[in-house]
Amino acid sequence: GAVVSQHPSRVICKSGTSVKIECRSLDFQATTMFWYRQFPKQSLMLMATSNEGSKATYEQGVEKDKFLINHASLTLSTLTVTSAHPEDSSFYICSARDWREFGKNIQYFGAGTRLSVL
Amino acid sequence: AQSVTQLGSHVSVSEGALVLLRCNYSSSVPPYLFWYVQYPNQGLQLLLKYTSAATLVKGINGFEAEFKKSETSFHLTKPSAHMSDAAEYFCAVSPFGNEKLTFGTGTRLTIIP
Repeated sequence: GAVVSQHPSRVICKSGTSVKIECRSLDFQATTMFWYRQFPKQSLMLMATSNEGSKATYEQGVEKDKFLINHASLTLSTLTVTSAHPEDSSFYICSARDWREFGKNIQYFGAGTRLSVL
Repeated sequence: AQSVTQLGSHVSVSEGALVLLRCNYSSSVPPYLFWYVQYPNQGLQLLLKYTSAATLVKGINGFEAEFKKSETSFHLTKPSAHMSDAAEYFCAVSPFGNEKLTFGTGTRLTIIP
């Protein structure tokens, strides 16, 4: 089955530093990847849609300068949390759509990254 | 706009008993509906999806869900719970023709031996 690898699984950083999270599709090409944020006991909230070779589309209320997304290849998208602050602490999850399954609305999810900002 | 409500953040059932996880949705256009399962330290895995074909959808691991338009529901069921079913379950909706998923808050299923 389709596998999405997300790295790191957990990261702790100091306030003011930047953190990069990687999302890789291991056995398929992903023209589209999605980034979600999940707060404790809340649902996954879509942050942005990442398309290979173009700028990401951010959801309303998500700061694009704060959460930089790069989708430079068909198997890798990265999310960089810039100048992280404690309120950015959360669980970040990526998903990817297999380009061969366009229109089927199927997303394959990574295991998530737990970010803790001190 | 779309929204999903999952009734019951925690559900406990005995091993061998019926599993029923509730999901109600709101959508301004015909929806696609999904159930995902998340095991500890793993990504979300698709259990099943409804895409306007048969209203009764069968998924993996013996789960199924029925789309009821009149009740705006998409409840997940399994006739006989197994210990390995213990996990977090998410219901999600996307509008027809749109890839964006809107998730419910999840239901944690505990199986009692």
